[in-house]
Amino acid sequence: EAQVTQNPRYLITVTGKKLTVTCSQNMNHEYMSWYRQDPGLGLRQIYYSMNVEVTDKGDVPEGYKVSRKEKRNFPLILESPSPNQTSLYFCASTSTGFYNEQFFGPGTRLTVL
Amino acid sequence: GNSVTQMEGPVTLSEEAFLTINCTYTATGYPSLFWYVQYPGEGLQLLLKATKADDKGSNKGFEATYRKETTSFHLEKGSVQVSDSAVYFCALSLTNNNDMRFGAGTRLTVKP
Repeated sequence: EAQVTQNPRYLITVTGKKLTVTCSQNMNHEYMSWYRQDPGLGLRQIYYSMNVEVTDKGDVPEGYKVSRKEKRNFPLILESPSPNQTSLYFCASTSTGFYNEQFFGPGTRLTVL
Repeated sequence: GNSVTQMEGPVTLSEEAFLTINCTYTATGYPSLFWYVQYPGEGLQLLLKATKADDKGSNKGFEATYRKETTSFHLEKGSVQVSDSAVYFCALSLTNNNDMRFGAGTRLTVKP
């Protein structure tokens, strides 16, 4: 089954404690993204990756890092989380071709105290 | 820049009512247009799409027509069900890149 998986689904942490949210896709897509979803703001792109070892900033990259060492994995790293990073995070993988359809993971709800 | 504006919610309807959620866009070039749906506790799923002017996307009784003259892609359904309760996102993507822009989302609640 084609899918995007994320872990953990829920996480409560404290300010300054480094964390990583993993993302993996099994569709051999080159393009992957991370979004955060906040009420009234929709989805905002944090980082994206066009291919292995190729990453770039989205609209709201401050406080986040990513890496793309393998095509299937695209982890999101918060080196020093702060309360304003409390949000719902989605990883997405995009099919190549004309439609650019995005496939989303189930989401990670992060709370930073 | 490229952006999507959709009607603010929440929208509350009775079962079998007619649904319209408005979406307009601004884009340089010729975007593909999408509606995504997010059910409670889940990620976004593609509901329907259209890639050129006058195309109509349809799925599960929902429809949206790509109107270039009004830069719109309004979502409609003739008779909503309780199971349609979800958040709906309008989105665009330019065909020469993978950058997708989302609207703020519209929460729909359908009451029996």
